[in-house]
Amino acid sequence: KQEVTQIPAALSVPEGENLVLNCSFTDSAIYNLQWFRQDPGKGLTSLLLIQSSQREQTSGRLNASLDKSSGRSTLYIAASQPGDSATYLCAVSGNQGAQKLVFGQGTRLTINP
Amino acid sequence: DAGITQSPRHKVTETGTPVTLRCHQTENHRYMYWYRQDPGHGLRLIHYSYGVKDTDKGEVSDGYSVSRSKTEDFLLTLESATSSQTSVYFCAISRTEKDNEQFFGPGTRLTVL
Repeated sequence: KQEVTQIPAALSVPEGENLVLNCSFTDSAIYNLQWFRQDPGKGLTSLLLIQSSQREQTSGRLNASLDKSSGRSTLYIAASQPGDSATYLCAVSGNQGAQKLVFGQGTRLTINP
Repeated sequence: DAGITQSPRHKVTETGTPVTLRCHQTENHRYMYWYRQDPGHGLRLIHYSYGVKDTDKGEVSDGYSVSRSKTEDFLLTLESATSSQTSVYFCAISRTEKDNEQFFGPGTRLTVL
């Protein structure tokens, strides 16, 4: 059974810092990995998707990497801003068809002005 | 915005009553999903659909049923609600034209008293 772990559960940093969020998964036979952002009381916003054949994806100040063989992904946030404060979730899928995502429990990020 | 709406957005009901949650999409995506989000458990898949009248169970399907009679609508039914089904329920779709990237609706907060 696939298990996804995100450490730390919470992170607080000053504005302007670069930071890395970690995600690990137990079964390397994944189809893709997706990073989401969730604001309190809101739905999930997709940030980046990495196919299993890819090593990284970039969107603006965000860069996600994938090392499938070691079961790890990182989300790098450059020049953090208070608006980046949210919970960040990673999820993996083992299926090409129906994407049955298995989620980590998230990292709650606070950026202090 | 993937054109996903959920109704109702909030509902309070009593133990033993039937409850139906509706997910509606405007873009004719084949795959649709129902997840629940609980503190300490994260997001977990309840049921999913891969076409009209084609559905299958997820990780936590006991006590839930689903139906999909039209491409755009995916219904989640709690036949006899229990307090353990108090949760936030999210609907999602996969965009097969975007590497099966999954997009989520705004959620329904259900309280079973």
